[in-house]
Amino acid sequence: AQSVSQHNHHVILSEAASLELGCNYSYGGTVNLFWYVQYPGQHLQLLLKYFSGDPLVKGIKGFEAEFIKSKFSFNLRKPSVQWSDTAEYFCAVNAWANDMRFGAGTRLTVKP
Amino acid sequence: ETGVTQTPRHLVMGMTNKKSLKCEQHLGHNAMYWYKQSAKKPLELMFVYSLEERVENNSVPSRFSPECPNSSHLFLHLHTLQPEDSALYLCASSQGTWGEQFFGPGTRLTVL
Repeated sequence: AQSVSQHNHHVILSEAASLELGCNYSYGGTVNLFWYVQYPGQHLQLLLKYFSGDPLVKGIKGFEAEFIKSKFSFNLRKPSVQWSDTAEYFCAVNAWANDMRFGAGTRLTVKP
Repeated sequence: ETGVTQTPRHLVMGMTNKKSLKCEQHLGHNAMYWYKQSAKKPLELMFVYSLEERVENNSVPSRFSPECPNSSHLFLHLHTLQPEDSALYLCASSQGTWGEQFFGPGTRLTVL
């Protein structure tokens, strides 16, 4: 069965620092890839998604992610974080219909 | 009202109680999902309904019983739960079962 790994459980950064959150998955076939964000007290919302095409995907709020098929990775990046980016970030992979798998999440704390 | 709504937002129940969680989506989607979110664990997919038919049941104990009366509504009936069932239960919907899912705010369930 497919699995999704997020390597960092908690990341603490200062404002303006660059961010990279790791995500690896185990399935070798065609996948749809997602990053979701959960701000404190709010529901999960989509940051960005990759289905096909350009492996560098741009999402909302200045986030981007790069799909590297050879590394089974879909890392999330942002060049300069803000305090308002404090949230929990979830990577998700859909390799089969009806079977979205999520990582355990990475909590990001941005210090002002 | 737009998006995915869930009621109640908080629920405390004893192990012998019977209760139901309700989810409603206003997005015109044809697939709906129940997830369990526990601290420091990946989101666990519980049930998937596509076109009002259950298409996935991820080895969920029978004390959880889903119901999908139409494409806009999804229920999770709970009975004789255990304290370890305490978690945030999330509902989501999507158009088809391959793409982006839209999440509700969740029901925070505490089983005493």
